[in-house]
Amino acid sequence: NAGVTQTPKFRVLKTGQSMTLLCAQDMNHEYMYWYRQDPGMGLRLIHYSVGEGTTAKGEVPDGYNVSRLKKQNFLLGLESAAPSQTSVYFCASSYSVTLYNEQFFGPGTRLTVL
Amino acid sequence: DQQVKQNSPSLSVQEGRISILNCDYTNSMFDYFLWYKKYPAEGPTFLISISSIKDKNEDGRFTVFLNKSAKHLSLHIVPSQPGDSAVYFCAASDKGGAGSYQLTFGKGTKLSVIP
Repeated sequence: NAGVTQTPKFRVLKTGQSMTLLCAQDMNHEYMYWYRQDPGMGLRLIHYSVGEGTTAKGEVPDGYNVSRLKKQNFLLGLESAAPSQTSVYFCASSYSVTLYNEQFFGPGTRLTVL
Repeated sequence: DQQVKQNSPSLSVQEGRISILNCDYTNSMFDYFLWYKKYPAEGPTFLISISSIKDKNEDGRFTVFLNKSAKHLSLHIVPSQPGDSAVYFCAASDKGGAGSYQLTFGKGTKLSVIP
């Protein structure tokens, strides 16, 4: 099992450009999440999905859109990138909505917006 | 408003000694607490957790203590090893929208274990 994978690993964008980050999991997990991590900050939830075809906003959703067309994939889109979106992005997944919400994380995507 | 606080950005410990990482929270609705470990250029990995109905959970060298009245938890690593050097995140879980138990993370504590 590959677990949670993220594509790409690194990306540099210019202000105003768009891009999509791809997250894939092969654990048949229902729940998927996108976080961002900034220096000196913990992980902050951007959007999440509780199943195929569903999405919901997290703590910092502005400037991002997501889609969950297939159970195994969760896409994070930046329509018009801004320097404030320079960050490391982590995708995570978990099996179900239970009290024991162990989330499995991908290796991260380091995004720089110039 | 930071609901999960890790007030020590860094901690240095000699190999073989005990490492104690602390975490405080403000939201009384949190009902499950987790510790994640993160190495550079990798994603966080789950380490240990504790339910709010317990006050201690042990897994090998790692023990988490929960003091609900003080809204405080701590992670003890005994004995500390150089491979334990990483950033440790405290996280708390509550039931968010659409039935999803969302995690709220602290800012992390960087542990350095000195050989």
